[in-house]
Amino acid sequence: DQQVKQNSPSLSVQEGRISILNCDYTNSMFDYFLWYKKYPAEGPTFLISISSIKDKNEDGRFTVFLNKSAKHLSLHIVPSQPGDSAVYFCAASHGFNNAGKMLTFGVGTRLLVKP
Amino acid sequence: EPEVTQTPSHQVTQMGQEVILRCVPISNHLYFYWYRQILGQKVEFLVSFYNNEISEKSEIFDDQFSVERPDGSNFTLKIRSTKLEDSAMYFCASSEGPGTEAFFGQGTRLTVV
Repeated sequence: DQQVKQNSPSLSVQEGRISILNCDYTNSMFDYFLWYKKYPAEGPTFLISISSIKDKNEDGRFTVFLNKSAKHLSLHIVPSQPGDSAVYFCAASHGFNNAGKMLTFGVGTRLLVKP
Repeated sequence: EPEVTQTPSHQVTQMGQEVILRCVPISNHLYFYWYRQILGQKVEFLVSFYNNEISEKSEIFDDQFSVERPDGSNFTLKIRSTKLEDSAMYFCASSEGPGTEAFFGQGTRLTVV
Protein backbone atom coordinates (compact mmCIF):
# COMPACT_ATOMS: atom_id res chain seq x y z
CA ASP A 1 0.00 0.00 0.00
CA GLN A 2 1.84 3.05 -1.27
CA GLN A 3 0.60 5.93 0.80
CA VAL A 4 3.18 8.25 -0.72
CA LYS A 5 3.69 7.98 -4.45
CA GLN A 6 6.38 9.40 -6.65
CA ASN A 7 5.35 8.26 -10.09
CA SER A 8 8.34 9.59 -12.01
CA PRO A 9 11.39 7.42 -11.40
CA SER A 10 13.67 9.91 -13.10
CA LEU A 11 13.82 13.46 -14.41
CA SER A 12 16.42 15.16 -16.57
CA VAL A 13 16.68 18.95 -16.88
CA GLN A 14 19.16 21.44 -18.25
CA GLU A 15 21.23 23.55 -15.89
CA GLY A 16 19.52 26.84 -15.14
CA ARG A 17 16.03 25.54 -15.89
CA ILE A 18 13.32 24.65 -13.43
CA SER A 19 13.08 21.14 -11.95
CA ILE A 20 9.63 20.05 -10.81
CA LEU A 21 9.34 16.91 -8.75
CA ASN A 22 5.90 15.59 -7.94
CA CYS A 23 4.44 13.58 -5.12
CA ASP A 24 0.95 12.27 -4.40
CA TYR A 25 -0.40 10.87 -1.18
CA THR A 26 -3.44 8.86 -0.27
CA ASN A 27 -3.62 9.16 3.51
CA SER A 28 -5.75 12.19 4.37
CA MET A 29 -4.35 12.10 7.92
CA PHE A 30 -0.96 13.28 6.71
CA ASP A 31 -0.38 16.84 7.80
CA TYR A 32 3.36 17.34 7.49
CA PHE A 33 5.36 16.84 4.33
CA LEU A 34 9.08 16.88 3.72
CA TRP A 35 11.51 16.59 0.86
CA TYR A 36 14.83 14.86 1.29
CA LYS A 37 17.75 14.64 -1.10
CA LYS A 38 19.98 11.59 -1.17
CA TYR A 39 23.36 11.03 -2.77
CA PRO A 40 24.69 7.49 -3.23
CA ALA A 41 26.14 5.94 -0.08
CA GLU A 42 24.84 8.80 2.07
CA GLY A 43 21.82 9.26 4.28
CA PRO A 44 18.84 11.39 3.24
CA THR A 45 19.45 15.12 3.71
CA PHE A 46 16.53 17.30 4.71
CA LEU A 47 15.67 19.98 2.15
CA ILE A 48 12.37 21.63 2.94
CA SER A 49 9.06 20.90 4.64
CA ILE A 50 5.51 22.15 4.71
CA SER A 51 2.67 21.67 7.13
CA SER A 52 -0.90 21.25 5.98
CA ILE A 53 -1.88 24.70 7.18
CA LYS A 54 0.18 26.18 4.35
CA ASP A 55 0.10 25.78 0.61
CA LYS A 56 3.58 27.07 -0.15
CA ASN A 57 6.96 27.21 1.53
CA GLU A 58 10.06 28.72 0.01
CA ASP A 59 13.72 28.39 0.95
CA GLY A 60 16.18 29.86 -1.49
CA ARG A 61 16.04 27.94 -4.76
CA PHE A 62 13.60 25.40 -3.32
CA THR A 63 9.84 25.85 -3.11
CA VAL A 64 7.33 23.27 -2.04
CA PHE A 65 3.69 23.56 -3.03
CA LEU A 66 0.89 21.66 -1.34
CA ASN A 67 -2.54 21.06 -2.86
CA LYS A 68 -4.54 19.37 -0.11
CA SER A 69 -7.68 18.86 -2.17
CA ALA A 70 -5.68 16.98 -4.79
CA LYS A 71 -3.43 15.33 -2.19
CA HIS A 72 -0.49 16.48 -4.21
CA LEU A 73 2.74 18.26 -3.49
CA SER A 74 5.58 19.35 -5.66
CA LEU A 75 9.13 20.56 -5.23
CA HIS A 76 10.40 23.27 -7.52
CA ILE A 77 14.10 23.93 -7.89
CA VAL A 78 14.97 27.16 -9.66
CA PRO A 79 17.51 27.48 -11.13
CA SER A 80 18.65 23.87 -11.26
CA GLN A 81 22.36 23.21 -10.79
CA PRO A 82 24.44 20.11 -11.60
CA GLY A 83 25.03 19.63 -7.86
CA ASP A 84 21.29 19.10 -7.46
CA SER A 85 21.63 15.76 -9.23
CA ALA A 86 20.49 13.22 -6.66
CA VAL A 87 17.52 11.10 -5.65
CA TYR A 88 14.71 13.15 -4.13
CA PHE A 89 12.36 11.57 -1.63
CA CYS A 90 8.98 12.88 -0.66
CA ALA A 91 7.96 11.98 2.90
CA ALA A 92 4.87 12.52 5.00
CA SER A 93 3.70 12.12 8.56
CA HIS A 94 0.57 12.70 10.55
CA GLY A 95 0.21 14.22 13.94
CA PHE A 96 2.34 17.29 13.31
CA ASN A 97 2.35 18.25 16.93
CA ASN A 98 2.76 14.75 18.26
CA ALA A 99 6.00 13.27 19.35
CA GLY A 100 8.19 11.05 17.24
CA LYS A 101 5.85 10.46 14.34
CA MET A 102 7.13 8.13 11.66
CA LEU A 103 7.85 9.33 8.18
CA THR A 104 6.37 7.48 5.23
CA PHE A 105 8.61 7.80 2.21
CA GLY A 106 7.98 7.65 -1.49
CA VAL A 107 10.25 5.56 -3.69
CA GLY A 108 12.18 8.58 -4.87
CA THR A 109 12.80 10.41 -8.14
CA ARG A 110 16.28 10.54 -9.60
CA LEU A 111 17.05 14.04 -10.84
CA LEU A 112 19.82 14.63 -13.35
CA VAL A 113 20.80 18.22 -14.06
CA LYS A 114 22.86 18.46 -17.23
CA PRO A 115 25.51 21.20 -17.53
CA GLU B 1 27.15 21.64 11.81
CA PRO B 2 25.79 18.97 14.17
CA GLU B 3 25.24 15.60 12.56
CA VAL B 4 24.01 12.11 13.29
CA THR B 5 26.87 9.62 13.20
CA GLN B 6 26.57 5.89 12.67
CA THR B 7 29.03 3.07 13.17
CA PRO B 8 30.12 0.90 11.56
CA SER B 9 29.66 2.08 7.97
CA HIS B 10 29.57 -1.52 6.77
CA GLN B 11 28.85 -4.68 8.73
CA VAL B 12 29.05 -8.19 7.34
CA THR B 13 27.57 -10.93 9.48
CA GLN B 14 26.62 -14.56 9.17
CA MET B 15 22.99 -15.56 9.16
CA GLY B 16 21.76 -16.25 12.67
CA GLN B 17 24.29 -13.96 14.33
CA GLU B 18 23.40 -10.96 16.44
CA VAL B 19 24.37 -7.49 15.28
CA ILE B 20 24.30 -4.14 17.00
CA LEU B 21 24.20 -0.99 14.94
CA ARG B 22 25.26 2.16 16.71
CA CYS B 23 24.20 5.74 16.35
CA VAL B 24 25.03 9.01 18.05
CA PRO B 25 22.11 11.39 17.52
CA ILE B 26 22.43 15.16 17.52
CA SER B 27 23.00 16.16 21.12
CA ASN B 28 19.94 18.33 21.83
CA HIS B 29 17.52 16.07 19.97
CA LEU B 30 14.92 14.15 21.89
CA TYR B 31 13.40 11.82 19.29
CA PHE B 32 15.29 9.00 17.69
CA TYR B 33 14.47 6.75 14.77
CA TRP B 34 15.67 3.80 12.78
CA TYR B 35 14.85 3.39 9.10
CA ARG B 36 16.11 0.92 6.57
CA GLN B 37 16.41 0.80 2.80
CA ILE B 38 16.69 -2.53 1.04
CA LEU B 39 18.64 -2.17 -2.19
CA GLY B 40 16.45 -0.70 -4.90
CA GLN B 41 13.50 -0.13 -2.58
CA LYS B 42 12.15 2.81 -0.63
CA VAL B 43 13.22 3.98 2.79
CA GLU B 44 11.07 2.22 5.41
CA PHE B 45 10.34 3.23 8.97
CA LEU B 46 11.31 0.76 11.68
CA VAL B 47 10.91 2.44 15.05
CA SER B 48 10.80 5.74 16.90
CA PHE B 49 12.04 6.27 20.44
CA TYR B 50 11.37 9.01 22.94
CA ASN B 51 11.87 9.37 26.66
CA ASN B 52 13.51 5.97 26.89
CA GLU B 53 10.70 4.05 25.30
CA ILE B 54 9.41 3.09 21.89
CA SER B 55 6.76 5.53 20.72
CA GLU B 56 5.93 3.89 17.42
CA LYS B 57 7.05 0.85 15.45
CA SER B 58 6.28 -0.72 12.12
CA GLU B 59 5.37 -4.28 11.22
CA ILE B 60 8.98 -4.82 10.20
CA PHE B 61 10.13 -4.22 13.76
CA ASP B 62 9.33 -7.66 15.15
CA ASP B 63 10.72 -9.52 18.15
CA GLN B 64 14.08 -9.92 16.44
CA PHE B 65 14.66 -6.19 16.74
CA SER B 66 15.27 -4.08 19.80
CA VAL B 67 16.48 -0.57 20.48
CA GLU B 68 18.25 0.90 23.41
CA ARG B 69 19.72 4.14 24.62
CA PRO B 70 22.37 2.72 26.93
CA ASP B 71 23.82 6.07 27.91
CA GLY B 72 23.24 9.75 27.26
CA SER B 73 24.63 9.74 23.76
CA ASN B 74 24.26 6.41 21.98
CA PHE B 75 21.18 4.89 20.37
CA THR B 76 21.49 1.27 19.24
CA LEU B 77 19.55 -1.14 17.06
CA LYS B 78 20.01 -4.82 17.82
CA ILE B 79 19.00 -7.62 15.51
CA ARG B 80 19.04 -10.84 17.52
CA SER B 81 19.28 -13.48 14.84
CA THR B 82 19.95 -12.01 11.44
CA LYS B 83 18.31 -13.30 8.29
CA LEU B 84 19.38 -12.85 4.69
CA GLU B 85 16.48 -10.47 4.12
CA ASP B 86 17.81 -8.15 6.85
CA SER B 87 20.50 -7.07 4.41
CA ALA B 88 19.91 -3.36 3.86
CA MET B 89 21.13 0.15 4.61
CA TYR B 90 20.08 1.09 8.11
CA PHE B 91 19.64 4.77 8.82
CA CYS B 92 19.46 6.36 12.21
CA ALA B 93 17.74 9.73 12.51
CA SER B 94 16.94 12.22 15.23
CA SER B 95 14.72 15.23 15.59
CA GLU B 96 14.47 18.03 18.07
CA GLY B 97 10.79 17.89 18.82
CA PRO B 98 7.29 17.44 17.46
CA GLY B 99 6.83 18.79 13.97
CA THR B 100 10.52 19.22 13.30
CA GLU B 101 12.48 17.57 10.57
CA ALA B 102 14.45 14.40 11.17
CA PHE B 103 18.16 14.48 10.40
CA PHE B 104 19.64 11.26 9.10
CA GLY B 105 23.01 9.64 9.57
CA GLN B 106 25.14 8.27 6.76
CA GLY B 107 23.81 4.78 7.27
CA THR B 108 25.22 1.35 8.06
CA ARG B 109 25.23 -1.15 5.26
CA LEU B 110 24.38 -4.53 6.77
CA THR B 111 25.19 -7.58 4.68
CA VAL B 112 23.98 -10.94 5.96
CA VAL B 113 25.70 -13.91 4.35
